Amino acid sequence: KAGVTQTPRYLIKTRGQQVTLSCSPISGHRSVSWYQQTPGQGLQFLFEYFSETQRNKGNFPGRFSGRQFSNSRSEMNVSTLELGDSALYLCASSSGTAIHEQYFGPGTRLTVT
Amino acid sequence: GQQLNQSPQSMFIQEGEDVSMNCTSSSIFNTWLWYKQDPGEGPVLLIALYKAGELTSNGRLTAQFGITRKDSFLNISASIPSDVGIYFCAGINAGNMLTFGGGTRLMVKP
Repeated sequence: KAGVTQTPRYLIKTRGQQVTLSCSPISGHRSVSWYQQTPGQGLQFLFEYFSETQRNKGNFPGRFSGRQFSNSRSEMNVSTLELGDSALYLCASSSGTAIHEQYFGPGTRLTVT
Repeated sequence: GQQLNQSPQSMFIQEGEDVSMNCTSSSIFNTWLWYKQDPGEGPVLLIALYKAGELTSNGRLTAQFGITRKDSFLNISASIPSDVGIYFCAGINAGNMLTFGGGTRLMVKP
């Protein structure tokens, strides 16, 4: 069974640009969550999607948005990039109707210059 | 928001030694998870705990869900060099929100 895949793995953007990250969950998993990981703040929850609906949302500004498609694949978008958005963005999938036993992808390393 | 206090922040031990780390919170969690993260990779789930008092093992790893539901610990027995990495605890509350601890960086000296 294939794991969670994220594309691209590495990305360099300039301040003010926007970026879209993609996540394909484990086959059969319907929940996809996104996290931002930085050395200073650790792992912080961005949002969770289940059956194409945002079910939970963390405390991030509106520049961070996401969506989920009917095949459970998810995208995360960050608009008007800031230097502080440089981070490892992790996607995690889980099965069932509750978040448990989340399985993470390898992450997308975003660098904003 | 909820916070998980994970300790210690880092450990430098000799190969073969046992390791213990824990997470505490002022809030109750319904599920505790323990992950390990290698450099440049996403966290990998090691152990999941679902009931207060539950003790679960996965090879040389043992984790327990505290009776008060506000804490959990992870033990690693007979550490080996490949145990090196960052270990995270995570708790899931009644609102289905997942909160992570700050991580424990483990370094093993051969």
